[in-house]
Amino acid sequence: DQQVKQNSPSLSVQEGRISILNCDYTNSMFDYFLWYKKYPAEGPTFLISISSIKDKNEDGRFTVFLNKSAKHLSLHIVPSQPGDSAVYFCAASKSGGYQKVTFGTGTKLQVIP
Amino acid sequence: KAGVTQTPRYLIKTRGQQVTLSCSPISGHRSVSWYQQTPGQGLQFLFEYFSETQRNKGNFPGRFSGRQFSNSRSEMNVSTLELGDSALYLCASSFGRGGTDTQYFGPGTRLTVL
Repeated sequence: DQQVKQNSPSLSVQEGRISILNCDYTNSMFDYFLWYKKYPAEGPTFLISISSIKDKNEDGRFTVFLNKSAKHLSLHIVPSQPGDSAVYFCAASKSGGYQKVTFGTGTKLQVIP
Repeated sequence: KAGVTQTPRYLIKTRGQQVTLSCSPISGHRSVSWYQQTPGQGLQFLFEYFSETQRNKGNFPGRFSGRQFSNSRSEMNVSTLELGDSALYLCASSFGRGGTDTQYFGPGTRLTVL
């Protein structure tokens, strides 16, 4: 049972344009959401997070949007750069619980120069 | 500040053997979580240790086990290896304060079972 879903395995975007990565979740108990970025031969690195009390969080070129009613979140990267080419994982957890984070299957982003 | 280290980085085993993977967390971190990454499956949670106690466990068979030492270093053991155990095994450390704690991942151990 995949509680966090990333339905697009891959995405290609031109440099300078917006990249939009999508994520859906099914468990209504999740109230904290994260995005991680992973380069080949490296472990995932934390990118940005959002609590369910917010619907938007920004950090430089990265913005995460949360739509609780639709159980949907998205990561926007503007403008996209070639160095953003990586696999992006969406993840979710319960803020009040212990460290059990549920990850999606990942979306491979390619930014074309 | 040193990051999370995992040893070995690569491992080749045959079916039926057992394997032990090691993870050294960031200094000061008391929580270590283990994940299995396979193509198309994302990161699957194995278990989490905090202060030498397993606090959380994923849906993996009993062949997968772990432990944590008093210095927070952790080991993961897989017995009676199967071909399907071939994967990237990642460990992540954090302060262990709860579900909003940022996890820091190691580079992983690539296990190949022949």
